[in-house]
Amino acid sequence: NAGVTQTPKFQVLKTGQSMTLQCAQDMNHEYMSWYRQDPGMGLRLIHYSVGAGITDQGEVPNGYNVSRSTTEDFPLRLLSAAPSQTSVYFCASTSVAGAYEQYFGPGTRLTVT
Amino acid sequence: AQSVTQLDSQVPVFEEAPVELRCNYSSSVSVYLFWYVQYPNQGLQLLLKYLSGSTLVKGINGFEAEFNKSQTSFHLRKPSVHISDTAEYFCAVSAGNTGKLIFGQGTTLQVKP
Repeated sequence: NAGVTQTPKFQVLKTGQSMTLQCAQDMNHEYMSWYRQDPGMGLRLIHYSVGAGITDQGEVPNGYNVSRSTTEDFPLRLLSAAPSQTSVYFCASTSVAGAYEQYFGPGTRLTVT
Repeated sequence: AQSVTQLDSQVPVFEEAPVELRCNYSSSVSVYLFWYVQYPNQGLQLLLKYLSGSTLVKGINGFEAEFNKSQTSFHLRKPSVHISDTAEYFCAVSAGNTGKLIFGQGTTLQVKP
């Protein structure tokens, strides 16, 4: 049981490049979320999903896309990277049965130059 | 909409002293409340949660928190801290059954020998 996994752990992009951050969970959780963490700002919700085929925007969705074709996977796409997207990205999953306790992945540290 | 305010960005304290990390929230609906800890260069780990029932909640590593509905607070306490408690602590609120978490800005606990 791996929990929530994220790849890659580190990534450096140039402005304008695109990439996908991968997230997978093996706990059969209905809900999955993406957050970004910036100093002094806590974690801010980017996008979330309440089940396969259903996604919605969080607090800071601009510049990011998501899709949820399976229960297990919830990739985050950066369409055209900008320096303002330099951050640490966390994926999380939770379940109704687990009283919404969120399980976090180890994070991806992204730098956009 | 929900919001969370952590009243202290940094809390320095000597080893074996008591500590309180303050958290206030606002919400027009009933909420679930959480405290997470993040050790350097790691992901987030759940310390404790309040869902309903007793307002005093005990968590891991000797931490506890008290839910105060009238003051809309959920302060985290530990009677005697250790060097190993040095970390960043996040208060978070989940609005009912949305599966989303709204985080405070975080409080850095610095335990000095």
